[in-house]
Amino acid sequence: SQQGEEDPQALSIQEGENATMNCSYKTSINNLQWYRQNSGRGLVHLILIRSNEREKHSGRLRVTLDTSKKSSSLLITASRAADTASYFCATPLDGGTSYGKLTFGQGTILTVHP
Amino acid sequence: DAGVIQSPRHEVTEMGQEVTLRCKPISGHDYLFWYRQTMMRGLELLIYFNNNVPIDDSGMPEDRFSAKMPNASFSTLKIQPSEPRDSAVYFCASSGVGPPGGETQYFGPGTRLLVL
Repeated sequence: SQQGEEDPQALSIQEGENATMNCSYKTSINNLQWYRQNSGRGLVHLILIRSNEREKHSGRLRVTLDTSKKSSSLLITASRAADTASYFCATPLDGGTSYGKLTFGQGTILTVHP
Repeated sequence: DAGVIQSPRHEVTEMGQEVTLRCKPISGHDYLFWYRQTMMRGLELLIYFNNNVPIDDSGMPEDRFSAKMPNASFSTLKIQPSEPRDSAVYFCASSGVGPPGGETQYFGPGTRLLVL
């Protein structure tokens, strides 16, 4: 069963704008990951945030985690056309007790127009 | 490192035929995962291995599906007999030894399977 759900399902913006995607999950977790998938390609890991972290940065990416609301957000600043892809959040299927079992949301399709 | 390697990249077969998908994980990784991605069901974990041993195959849809990992550098996912509803993109992923940081999974390019 899927635990994470992304919102919105699709997002269309202009180059240079910021893009924000949200992920909600159902059960307690010890970490949450974000992945990107370009059309016709495999998923690529972007960032991992642990349950004791509230915010994490990596380049133009900013991820937040609110364990009380069971939600996370991914912010891409100063977007580029190359950021066009699907973005997925991934959470441990059983909260993290069984290493490696991840569940992925349905993803947010981001389109960045030049 | 070449990353996770999958073959074939595309497979078209007829219903009832046997299909074998192959995966070479990243050297040194001791976890290997098989996923299936469809528009309807998204990305589903089928089975995963640790040190070549299947740990959880609860996601394997039917007995028609089987997976093996004879050694640390090779795994197969077999569908016999194949059915049109098996049409999907199948991904293999691998990850390193335990947390912290080991939870990151590295995905292959996928095999796009079409069963006619």
